[in-house]
Amino acid sequence: NAGVTQTPKFRILKIGQSMTLQCAQDMNHNYMYWYRQDPGMGLKLIYYSVGAGITDKGEVPNGYNVSRSTTEDFPLRLELAAPSQTSVYFCASSPRLNTGELFFGEGSRLTVL
Amino acid sequence: AQRVTQPEKLLSVFKGAPVELKCNYSYSGSPELFWYVQYSRQRLQLLLRHISRESIKGFTADLNKGETSFHLKKPFAQEEDSAMYYCALRGRYGGSQGNLIFGKGTKLSVKP
Repeated sequence: NAGVTQTPKFRILKIGQSMTLQCAQDMNHNYMYWYRQDPGMGLKLIYYSVGAGITDKGEVPNGYNVSRSTTEDFPLRLELAAPSQTSVYFCASSPRLNTGELFFGEGSRLTVL
Repeated sequence: AQRVTQPEKLLSVFKGAPVELKCNYSYSGSPELFWYVQYSRQRLQLLLRHISRESIKGFTADLNKGETSFHLKKPFAQEEDSAMYYCALRGRYGGSQGNLIFGKGTKLSVKP
């Protein structure tokens, strides 16, 4: 099992560009999450999904979009990148509802210049 | 407001010394608290949760509702304990299922 796989690991974007961070899990987890971590800060929830076709906003959704067409994949789309989106992005999944046990990917470091 | 505070950015101890990583929370109701750890070049992973009251890798954490704290302790630190430690609270606002609120983290450095 690869667990949660994120690509790319690193990316530099120019202001106004768009990109998609990919996230895939092979554990058949229904619940998936996207977090961002700014330097010196804790992780903040961007979006989450409770199953294929169902997504909802977290604490900091502005500037992002997600989709969940399959159980395995949960891509995060950045439209019109801004310097404030410079961060490390973590995708995570969990097998059960209302559990604090999340399985994380390795993270994707994004810089917007 | 729901909040997790880890007052120390960096904690440096010598091998064999006791370790206490502090975590305080703000939450109305019965909290669920967790400690996550990220070793160098590894993924963030769950270390322990207060509900299970277990000891993992020699670490324990007791929920103190009176002091709203969930400090992580280990009696004798080992070099392999060096890592980033995050305290997390399971929030209940809105419909965010399983939403964890993370502290800013404490970097533990264990010197030989």
